[in-house]
Amino acid sequence: NAGVTQTPKFQVLKTGQSMTLQCAQDMNHEYMSWYRQDPGMGLRLIHYSVGAGITDQGEVPNGYNVSRSTTEDFPLRLLSAAPSQTSVYFCASSQSPNRGHNSPLHFGNGTRLTVT
Amino acid sequence: KQEVTQIPAALSVPEGENLVLNCSFTDSAIYNLQWFRQDPGKGLTSLLLIQSSQREQTSGRLNASLDKSSGRSTLYIAASQPGDSATYLCAVRIRIKAAGNKLTFGGGTRVLVKP
Repeated sequence: NAGVTQTPKFQVLKTGQSMTLQCAQDMNHEYMSWYRQDPGMGLRLIHYSVGAGITDQGEVPNGYNVSRSTTEDFPLRLLSAAPSQTSVYFCASSQSPNRGHNSPLHFGNGTRLTVT
Repeated sequence: KQEVTQIPAALSVPEGENLVLNCSFTDSAIYNLQWFRQDPGKGLTSLLLIQSSQREQTSGRLNASLDKSSGRSTLYIAASQPGDSATYLCAVRIRIKAAGNKLTFGGGTRVLVKP
């Protein structure tokens, strides 16, 4: 039971570098999302998707891009990394809430990103 | 704007004692409330989901109650064990643009159960 898989687990970037955080789920979930977790700030939503080809912004989208070409994958791109993006990033998925499901979110184990 | 608060931020109890974790939210117009557990260096694991029409949910030693009118939920863990040591987070689901499963999270309560 793979669930939600995130890669890499750890990453160190220099300011200005770009990278993509990968997220894949094998539960045929329509809804996928990205959160960042920071001390004292809790978990904050970056971007989310309600299905392939559909994405939207969350609370803190600046500096991040997403795409959803398949149901399974939801990569998060940092175009030009900044020290303020040092955080732990979590991908989460669920059945579609639009179909009346009260569906719990399933989380990956996170990617710990440091930007120097 | 929905705000979710968990007090206390940390809790230490001897093994066998019952745990009571509190969660409060400012906007009662929620779809559901979820309790999660997070172990150090790990992701979040969903423990219980209470729909807005429910007043409580139970799973084994865990029981969660919901009082929408007062904006409160309580997670009870009976007969605590050292393996229950973790951070517990609550989150409420709100609606964005008639789509999505956006959750607003509390800051969590870090629990230590001493043997």
